[in-house]
Amino acid sequence: EVQLVESGGGLVQPGGSLRLSCAASGFTFSSYWMSWVRQAPGKGLEWVANIKQDGSEKYYVDSVKGRFTISRDNAKNSLYLQMNSLRAEDTAVYYCARDPGAIDYVGTFDIWGQGTMVTVSS
Amino acid sequence: EIVMTQSPATLSVSPGERATLSCRASQSVSSNLAWYQQKPGQAPRLLIYGASTRATGIPARFSGSGSGTEFTLTISSLQSEDFAVYYCQQYNNWPYSFGQGTKLEIK
Repeated sequence: EVQLVESGGGLVQPGGSLRLSCAASGFTFSSYWMSWVRQAPGKGLEWVANIKQDGSEKYYVDSVKGRFTISRDNAKNSLYLQMNSLRAEDTAVYYCARDPGAIDYVGTFDIWGQGTMVTVSS
Repeated sequence: EIVMTQSPATLSVSPGERATLSCRASQSVSSNLAWYQQKPGQAPRLLIYGASTRATGIPARFSGSGSGTEFTLTISSLQSEDFAVYYCQQYNNWPYSFGQGTKLEIK
């Protein structure tokens, strides 16, 4: 079964850090671009960052540039999001998602994890 | 950044009837437009990509159309499991951007 499972969410104070993980199974993880997408409570979806198959290219939405770092470990079939200098507006469910392009990116998301909640509050 | 605007915010339709959801882009995204369905407490599910191609396993009652800046998602005969929030997403330019969603509710 193709699956993505996120972990690492929780409550953190403003200015703090958190590292999210996403474990992939059921497909060749190293063949796909991967992304993080977030959803603030009661709000819509926001793409956060993505990373190429070999990790050589990474892109971020402006609001997280310089604070968040996306990475991956293909040997462990895992995707990560290091979040530093967290703000209240980063509070959201964070999803990892697969881009369906097995060679180059497509830009859509065909497989999603169940999400992990990040709450930034004092 | 491309802004995606969906209308209406809420759509009330009876089961068995047709639902038409709209999505407008602030600039042309060609046919690089996707639609997702999200039910409460669940992750989004890809329905349509390339503006009109159904994703794997998506029933034929879901159809997409449009190009450039105007797009439509049509659900031909609503089933009970179709009542959810629907999002459009452009992937023509980074950063990828989503619409604010249309909630499809039972009339």
